[in-house]
Amino acid sequence: GAVVSQHPSRVICKSGTSVKIECRSLDFQATTMFWYRQFPKQSLMLMATSNEGSKATYEQGVEKDKFLINHASLTLSTLTVTSAHPEDSSFYICSAPIMGGQSGELFFGEGSRLTVL
Amino acid sequence: QKEVEQNSGPLSVPEGAIASLNCTYSDRGSQSFFWYRQYSGKSPELIMSIYSNGDKEDGRFTAQLNKASQYVSLLIRDSQPSDSATYLCAVNPDQAGTALIFGKGTTLSVSS
Repeated sequence: GAVVSQHPSRVICKSGTSVKIECRSLDFQATTMFWYRQFPKQSLMLMATSNEGSKATYEQGVEKDKFLINHASLTLSTLTVTSAHPEDSSFYICSAPIMGGQSGELFFGEGSRLTVL
Repeated sequence: QKEVEQNSGPLSVPEGAIASLNCTYSDRGSQSFFWYRQYSGKSPELIMSIYSNGDKEDGRFTAQLNKASQYVSLLIRDSQPSDSATYLCAVNPDQAGTALIFGKGTTLSVSS
């Protein structure tokens, strides 16, 4: 079964609204989680690194005020897309390092497909 | 800019054949390399990781790394229709972190 659970799997919203995506680590603690975005036929692009108890680290070009990340506990990270627009429509995927694994070995959540009308 | 390049495919092979997937990367200092498999509409899952030059085998999968040529490949022996997916090559350019750089992926189609 899944070790990283993401919710919702699909969301459709109107332009200008905000959408929250949850990422939970199941049966393990994740002090760090990563949020990726994937457009059709494109590679996964790292948006930000979520750190439990501290501010997220955003990649260059990612607006931190638009993509709000909160990692309030060792098992939950949330991504809120604020004032969503059609260009934000994408597949958002969270991931957490595999327990006992080498650096770079990740569990991915099931992904959340966002469609902004 | 650090890049990971893959042929997007599709790569089509018959069932039982060997599928060969290739990847090149630009950052010569990269130390960790990964292959992830992604089924359509799903999230990626780790298939192989490799850190040293040479071959690493795991069941029907063999990863090959050549740091001098900045080249990493994945061989899938006895390909099955269930192997049909997009294979993502990923590179970790920073040993201290896990901010992977992904290629666009190669789509593999195995016909029965």
